[in-house]
Amino acid sequence: GENVEQHPSTLSVQEGDSAVIKCTYSDSASNYFPWYKQELGKGPQLIIDIRSNVGEKKDQRIAVTLNKTAKHFSLHITETQPEDSAVYFCAASITPDGQNFVFGPGTRLSVLP
Amino acid sequence: KAGVTQTPRYLIKTRGQQVTLSCSPISGHRSVSWYQQTPGQGLQFLFEYFSETQRNKGNFPGRFSGRQFSNSRSEMNVSTLELGDSALYLCASSLEVAGGGTDTQYFGPGTRLTVL
Repeated sequence: GENVEQHPSTLSVQEGDSAVIKCTYSDSASNYFPWYKQELGKGPQLIIDIRSNVGEKKDQRIAVTLNKTAKHFSLHITETQPEDSAVYFCAASITPDGQNFVFGPGTRLSVLP
Repeated sequence: KAGVTQTPRYLIKTRGQQVTLSCSPISGHRSVSWYQQTPGQGLQFLFEYFSETQRNKGNFPGRFSGRQFSNSRSEMNVSTLELGDSALYLCASSLEVAGGGTDTQYFGPGTRLTVL
């Protein structure tokens, strides 16, 4: 079955710096890769996603890149702010006929002022 | 549009009891998935419902069950609770792209279940 690895598990950056989180997946049939941000006491919130027919997607300070050949995708956050501090999860779809995902273990990002 | 809502937000139960959690998806969304989140195991898929039918199931024992109603609202039930069932239970809904395919999931705030 699908396995998603995520690195690093914790990441501390200075405010204004960039942060990069990387994920790898095992099933080449996966075709949809969302990223979620989870703050304390809240459910995961979608921040960006990418489908397998696209190599890169940007939304203001956030970008995601996908390398289908190497089966990895990355989240890039530029000009980090303290409110970016949260746990970030990557996920990969595993069923073509339903909404079924495998999630990475998460990265705790701390943005230091 | 209102987001995914889950009730109750917090629950305390004792071992051996059963519990029912409720999820109301975003209006118009037809797919509802349930996840269990724990510090040790992370986010794990429980099951997914679409048009009142369980379409996919994760690797959880039969004590975990669910159902979906005609208005797409969903409930999950855990019987004979164990200490290890303490977790945040998350519900997510998807619109379901016409013709199939994977669609974006939107999560609710979760129900925090504590089993004593």
